[in-house]
Amino acid sequence: AQSVSQHNHHVILSEAASLELGCNYSYGGTVNLFWYVQYPGQHLQLLLKYFSGDPLVKGIKGFEAEFIKSKFSFNLRKPSVQWSDTAEYFCAVNGANTGNQFYFGTGTSLTVIP
Amino acid sequence: GAGVSQSPRYKVTKRGQDVALRCDPISGHVSLYWYRQALGQGPEFLTYFNYEAQQDKSGLPNDRFSAERPEGSISTLTIQRTEQRDSAMYRCASSRWHGTQETQYFGPGTRLLVL
Repeated sequence: AQSVSQHNHHVILSEAASLELGCNYSYGGTVNLFWYVQYPGQHLQLLLKYFSGDPLVKGIKGFEAEFIKSKFSFNLRKPSVQWSDTAEYFCAVNGANTGNQFYFGTGTSLTVIP
Repeated sequence: GAGVSQSPRYKVTKRGQDVALRCDPISGHVSLYWYRQALGQGPEFLTYFNYEAQQDKSGLPNDRFSAERPEGSISTLTIQRTEQRDSAMYRCASSRWHGTQETQYFGPGTRLLVL
């Protein structure tokens, strides 16, 4: 079955620690990849996206993600987290083999301790 | 410009009642998606439209759920004879296209509670 996996369900970090959230997908063919963030009490916002080209994508607020095709992964990273990064993070995939539907992972809850 | 809006933001209803959830997409966005998100889960696809045409409704859980977008702009998701298991956050997203690249923008969601 087609799926998007986020293995880290809940991550707790201290400020200034480095962050890496895992995302793996199981679709073949060309895919587009996204990370969304949901801050407490707010709605889903696009953090960054990958369509093609440079597999290292830079997004807002210092986040970046690397597409590794051979590993079917699109991990999210940030070198130094801040308290304001506390949020829920969702990885999403769409592409020709998904019927243009967007499939989301179950999300990773990040808590940053000041 | 304005983002995607949804109304109501919160809806409490009794089991067996019908509910209608509204989505007002970003002006000019061709595609509109409906998702359902249970607590602790990611958004789950329900259906989507290109303009007024419903392209895919394979995610609708059963025939109590329906959606329309008659003029290619505002969309309504209707749940008939609601059940407690329908309680969830219902999210709408509209998307813009650049060639073959599609980017979705989400609304604030409607939290539905069926008693």
